[in-house]
Amino acid sequence: QQQVKQSPQSLIVQKGGISIINCAYENTAFDYFPWYQQFPGKGPALLIAIRPDVSEKKEGRFTISFNKSAKQFSLHIMDSQPGDSATYFCAARNKDGSSNTGKLIFGQGTTLQVKP
Amino acid sequence: DTEVTQTPKHLVMGMTNKKSLKCEQHMGHRAMYWYKQKAKKPPELMFVYSYEKLSINESVPSRFSPECPNSSLLNLHLHALQPEDSALYLCASSQGLRANEKLFFGSGTQLSVL
Repeated sequence: QQQVKQSPQSLIVQKGGISIINCAYENTAFDYFPWYQQFPGKGPALLIAIRPDVSEKKEGRFTISFNKSAKQFSLHIMDSQPGDSATYFCAARNKDGSSNTGKLIFGQGTTLQVKP
Repeated sequence: DTEVTQTPKHLVMGMTNKKSLKCEQHMGHRAMYWYKQKAKKPPELMFVYSYEKLSINESVPSRFSPECPNSSLLNLHLHALQPEDSALYLCASSQGLRANEKLFFGSGTQLSVL
């Protein structure tokens, strides 16, 4: 139950296209859903995050859509650029005060390649 | 300064060696983390420290020994490692343990165990 399932494993998109990455979870104790971007040789960096009481959050070209009833959320990258080529991880964190407070669980990752 | 600094960047060690990984942050964060990441896999949580006390140990083998000497420093002591322990070891920090607090990751130490 302490799992976040992510798909697809890899994604190739043309420059200017839309990249879509999906995640699903089972644990209703999850209360915060960040997305991380990781370039080779670097640690993950927070991209955008959402709480389950919000259905959508947009920051620039990045949008999270959240479906609480389906326990699913997705990242949309609009106008994808070659510089967006990286590995993307969805993640989930437990509610404050729960038994696993502080624990950040990552999905399996999606390697995105944006072709010029 | 929003950096988490990890040293060394690369480490090669034999199975009988003792080595330490170091992590430092000067953001005033009170929570620090060790993650292990294998190639093409997600980071896996190892340890969480909150206010210099061990808060979470994800059943990590005793050959990995964490230490938090003060609020800015986090060490990971390594002893008698196995080749399968070769991985990228990531340190992270956050203001605290609240769900919405942002984790800042270092660039990691790439460890090879021969």
